[in-house]
Amino acid sequence: ETGVTQTPRHLVMGMTNKKSLKCEQHLGHNAMYWYKQSAKKPLELMFVYSLEERVENNSVPSRFSPECPNSSHLFLHLHTLQPEDSALYLCASSQGLTGGGYEQYFGPGTRLTVT
Amino acid sequence: ILNVEQSPQSLHVQEGDSTNFTCSFPSSNFYALHWYRWETAKSPEALFVMTLNGDEKKKGRISATLNTKEGYSYLYIKGSQPEDSATYLCAVYNAGNNRKLIWGLGTSLAVNP
Repeated sequence: ETGVTQTPRHLVMGMTNKKSLKCEQHLGHNAMYWYKQSAKKPLELMFVYSLEERVENNSVPSRFSPECPNSSHLFLHLHTLQPEDSALYLCASSQGLTGGGYEQYFGPGTRLTVT
Repeated sequence: ILNVEQSPQSLHVQEGDSTNFTCSFPSSNFYALHWYRWETAKSPEALFVMTLNGDEKKKGRISATLNTKEGYSYLYIKGSQPEDSATYLCAVYNAGNNRKLIWGLGTSLAVNP
């Protein structure tokens, strides 16, 4: 397995469910990111982790809870979501934080539908 | 708040045509500009990361230029091929962003064979 992988690729959940998205990078990178892509909107950064420490939380509702147990794995725990949270959730990694000019490597995304 | 504007929103060209798109951004406190290609059903893929005014980068038939003083970057595709069909995203990082890229909406390119 190479690059950045995400599971599941598709997820349908009710508003009362609890689910988790998983991201794994096999590139030896130190930074990992969660993005949200909604229709007709630009990519929206949710969380940034550097060396397993959260360095960015862009006013994301508490119903989204990230976890980074090590530099290769990133989770997004979901609970009591709203229909407007339906979107494509992308994970990315980079050698360092973007301020250093490092390109980001993206996973294929999880298409989430909240019913 | 930093706004990254991309134009045109979409573009249809014939195979063999050359084309270009624009990414505009506020020039103050600029750090870096990224170009990505996002093909349908695939992951976004980095094309270029540019940091210096006057930078020009090239990868095969695709090249990009950067003007940080006036706040724009051009992406050029020479001799477009159907496999170039994708959305091309621009993202900018500057000192006012609290360490995050601000993304444009992208330019959707369709190359007709």
